[in-house]
Order: sequence, then C-alpha cells, then structure tokens
Amino acid sequence: QKEVEQNSGPLSVPEGAIASLNCTYSDRGSQSFFWYRQYSGKSPELIMFIYSNGDKEDGRFTAQLNKASQYVSLLIRDSQPSDSATYLCAAISNFGNEKLTFGTGTRLTIIP
Amino acid sequence: EPEVTQTPSHQVTQMGQEVILRCVPISNHLYFYWYRQILGQKVEFLVSFYNNEISEKSEIFDDQFSVERPDGSNFTLKIRSTKLEDSAMYFCASRQGARQPQHFGDGTRLSIL
Repeated sequence: QKEVEQNSGPLSVPEGAIASLNCTYSDRGSQSFFWYRQYSGKSPELIMFIYSNGDKEDGRFTAQLNKASQYVSLLIRDSQPSDSATYLCAAISNFGNEKLTFGTGTRLTIIP
Repeated sequence: EPEVTQTPSHQVTQMGQEVILRCVPISNHLYFYWYRQILGQKVEFLVSFYNNEISEKSEIFDDQFSVERPDGSNFTLKIRSTKLEDSAMYFCASRQGARQPQHFGDGTRLSIL
C-alpha cells in the first residue's frame, strides 16, 4: 500500500512567522511531489511541485525534497491569515498514469 | 487563466438513482482524472483517462461507475444505482502532459438521500 503521511494538526503559527509543513511517503519509487492548499469545502489548489532533491522556491513558498529520507516539506514565510487552510501533500509513483496519492492534509491556522 | 469547470456544484439524488457528473477540462490538456473526497477524509483517486480510454482505475471504481468523453470538451462520470456511501465531493482534474501538475475543478458535492 503506497501511503503519504502528514500530521493532521492543527498547526498554529503567528502571523509573519514561518510555517513548516511536513510529509513522508512510503513508496521509494515515488517520482514527483505536489503541495495543494484546500480551503474548507473547496477544491485543492496547486501551490508547488518538486521533482528533484533539494529546495525549490516560489515567492513565499519553499518546497524541500529528500528522497533518501522519503521526506517532503513546505515552508511558508511571512505567514498571512489568508494562508489558513488545509495543506495536502501528494505524490505520483510513475510517469505513465501519474495518478495522485494524497495525504490526509495538515490544517494550518495563522494567528493574527 | 484557463480552468477546469464542473457541473453541477451540488447534486441531491435519491438512493438507487443514476447521476452524471460533468467536467470540462482545460482545452489543451490530454489527461483526465476523477477523484472523490468523503467529508473529513483524504482525496482518493477513482480513475484516469487518456486517449479515449481508461488508463487506470482504483478499487473504488467498480461496475457502478463509468466515464465517458462524449465530445471534444466534456468528460463525465456516471454513477449507477447510487448508494448512501457515494455521498462525497467529486473532483475532476486534468493535466497537459508528462510531469505536468494536475489542475482541479471546483468539485460537485453529491448528496445521496
């Protein structure tokens, strides 16, 4: 069973601080990793994706991938109240079908 | 920015009835997906579709379910003889090509009574 694991939270972070979200995966063959943001009752919205070991930055967001440790993380700098949402980590295991396997999500609350 | 559109946004149906959920993927995308999310649970893969045929389906996607791309723009999910446990949010997603991210529609909330 290919699993993606996340701490469900809630994770509370003061406004302006760095929020750190973590994800582990069981399938060593997983190739690509995605972070989606989901507001309550809404659909997943793509934040970032990462394929290679190391860091990838996009504005206030940084994704980090460590394939040896089977670990993915998302850092949100200068957290804003609008960042309050559930963050979903997802992985794909092969480049043919590329179906997404999702974690349960981490609920993030930014405290003003 | 192009987006995936889904209709209806909310569907209420009596148990045992058939429902059709509709999706219009982004126009230059080639790969299409259906996922579902039961309230409070994770997003689960149902089926993927490429080149006018199913490329993979999950254990959830049994004979009760079918997908179709009836024309060049629509992608539908049909659920026959609905059950109470089919109540969920159903998301359509599409991607352009290999290693490209999937973009999700706003979803259809399906409520089975």
